[in-house]
Amino acid sequence: GQSLEQPSEVTAVEGAIVQINCTYQTSGFYGLSWYQQHDGGAPTFLSYNALDGLEETGRFSSFLSRSDSYGYLLLQELQMKDSASYFCAVPTPLGGSYIPTFGRGTSLIVHP
Amino acid sequence: DTGVSQDPRHKITKRGQNVTFRCDPISEHNRLYWYRQTLGQGPEFLTYFQNEAQLEKSRLLSDRFSAERPKGSFSTLEIQRTEQGDSAMYLCASSPTTGELFFGEGSRLTVL
Repeated sequence: GQSLEQPSEVTAVEGAIVQINCTYQTSGFYGLSWYQQHDGGAPTFLSYNALDGLEETGRFSSFLSRSDSYGYLLLQELQMKDSASYFCAVPTPLGGSYIPTFGRGTSLIVHP
Repeated sequence: DTGVSQDPRHKITKRGQNVTFRCDPISEHNRLYWYRQTLGQGPEFLTYFQNEAQLEKSRLLSDRFSAERPKGSFSTLEIQRTEQGDSAMYLCASSPTTGELFFGEGSRLTVL
C-alpha cells in the first residue's frame, strides 16, 4: 500500500521562510511531486524530485531523502499570495500503471 | 487557451439524477486522469486513460460511474443515480509522458 503524511496546517508571517514536510510509504518509489492549490482553484504543479537533494525554483525549493522516505517544500520570502494548500504526491503502482497519489494537503496561512 | 478545460464548472442536481462532466485535455497529452476532491482532502484518483484506453479504475469508482475517452481526445465522466455522497469537485488532469499533471479548474457537483 501507500500513504503520505503532511501537516494539516502551517502558519507564518510575510517575508518569513516556511517548510512543509511530507513522509511517504510506497511499494517502490518513482519520485515526489508538490502541487499548490488556492481556494476554489485547480492544483498547479510546483516541483518534482526523483533523486536525493535540493531542487530550487525561485522562492520555492523541494528536498528529497529517499533513505528517510521524506521530503519537504521550502518557501522563502513568503508573500500573502502564497496562502494556499500544498500537496505532496507520489506515483503509486496500480495494475500496470503508476498513478499520482496525493496527500491530504497542508493549508499554509500567511499573515501580514 | 491551451490548458485543460472542464465543463460545466458547477452542477446542482437532485438525488437520483444522472450527470455528465466533460474534460478537454491539452491536445498533445496522451494521459488523462479523473480525480475527486472533497473539502480539506487531497485529490482522490478515480480513473486513468492512456490515449483512448481506460487502463485503471479506482475501487472508489462504483458501477454508477462510467468514463470514456473516444478517439483519445476529450473525456466524459458520467454519474448515474447520483447520491448526496457524490457531492464533490471532479478534477480532470492531463499529462505528457513525464508525469507532471496539468489540472483543469474542476466541475463542482452538488447533489440535493
